[in-house]
Amino acid sequence: DVKVTQSSRYLVKRTGEKVFLECVQDMDHENMFWYRQDPGLGLRLIYFSYDVKMKEKGDIPEGYSVSREKKERFSLILESASTNQTSMYLCASSGAGQGLEKLFFGSGTQLSVL
Amino acid sequence: AQSVAQPEDQVNVAEGNPLTVKCTYSVSGNPYLFWYVQYPNRGLQFLLKYITGDNLVKGSYGFEAEFNKSQTSFHLKKPSALVSDSALYFCAVRATGTASKLTFGTGTRLQVTL
Repeated sequence: DVKVTQSSRYLVKRTGEKVFLECVQDMDHENMFWYRQDPGLGLRLIYFSYDVKMKEKGDIPEGYSVSREKKERFSLILESASTNQTSMYLCASSGAGQGLEKLFFGSGTQLSVL
Repeated sequence: AQSVAQPEDQVNVAEGNPLTVKCTYSVSGNPYLFWYVQYPNRGLQFLLKYITGDNLVKGSYGFEAEFNKSQTSFHLKKPSALVSDSALYFCAVRATGTASKLTFGTGTRLQVTL
């Protein structure tokens, strides 16, 4: 079975802390994504990566950065956490090429910034 | 820019009745369209997709969706709802030639009651 694993299910951090959210996929997928999910706003794309060391901004990249040093791992970094970054964070991956657009999602990390 | 609208925050239906969850989209060029479902405390799961060909697409768990180009719609349907279908449903779109960036709608909560 395909698997996207997010390192933490729940996380509580203080304002100003640097926060790392980790995501690992075991499907040898080229593409990886970070979304945040907020009630009434749906899923919004933060960053995505289509290859190792490559990244592209999504719709709401401000306050976030990412790292992809290995194909299977995609990290989301909150440089200085703020309360408006309290959210559910979802990682996803997909293969490249037509017919492989299906996203596989992790279970999510509920981040609370106090 | 591409966008998705899900006009209903919640849809209520009795078990055994047909259900429809609405989705309209805006995109330049030809769309790739998707439905995902999120069950309580679980990650998003792929339901079905439209890439090209037959306007009626069949997916998992007895769901289907109809692509209507003139109305720019991709409504999700099921002939007979089950209580276990109760979940949050997301429509998503991307234009051909835009790498793998998907844009999601705000989600529709489906509540199926006995």
